[in-house]
Amino acid sequence: DTGVSQDPRHKITKRGQNVTFRCDPISEHNRLYWYRQTLGQGPEFLTYFQNEAQLEKSRLLSDRFSAERPKGSFSTLEIQRTEQGDSAMYLCASSPPGAFYGYTFGSGTRLTVV
Amino acid sequence: DQQVKQNSPSLSVQEGRISILNCDYTNSMFDYFLWYKKYPAEGPTFLISISSIKDKNEDGRFTVFLNKSAKHLSLHIVPSQPGDSAVYFCAASEGNNNDMRFGAGTRLTVKP
Repeated sequence: DTGVSQDPRHKITKRGQNVTFRCDPISEHNRLYWYRQTLGQGPEFLTYFQNEAQLEKSRLLSDRFSAERPKGSFSTLEIQRTEQGDSAMYLCASSPPGAFYGYTFGSGTRLTVV
Repeated sequence: DQQVKQNSPSLSVQEGRISILNCDYTNSMFDYFLWYKKYPAEGPTFLISISSIKDKNEDGRFTVFLNKSAKHLSLHIVPSQPGDSAVYFCAASEGNNNDMRFGAGTRLTVKP
């Protein structure tokens, strides 16, 4: 297993367009998290899945954002009608059953909205 | 609301000396604390953690100290090595809450 994979690594989009990111967690990890990191800040929690169930969502996750994990494996994060303020690094992390901490992060998807 | 604060954006130390990275938090309900290390173009990597029932946890060259009364924790790296040069994030969580809060990070540079 090569760890948590995120695709694409970089995405440049025009304001108003929709974008979708993919995360493939470590195969035996049932927990999956999405974080967002802006320049000079630490990662901010967006949402969390246990298997296919989305159990927590941050107030940062506006109605333009939607995340899915349809079969409890990979996850997608979609941003509709992107805004310049959405420009950030989107990080995915996963953790095994029973481990709430010590997540394994992916390398992230850097989104630039122009 | 910045519940986890790392007030030093950068720190530079000489190889072989001790690096001390500091972190303050405001939420007294936090009971689990972690340090992550991040290299450029990579995601954060879990380094070391401590629960609120302890005041010290050591793993090789890395030791985390927790002062609950001061709501302060620190990461000591000794001896520091050039490969330790990275951004270090402090993180905290309340119980099994998955909304882990991160500080803004401290960029450590270890000079040979």
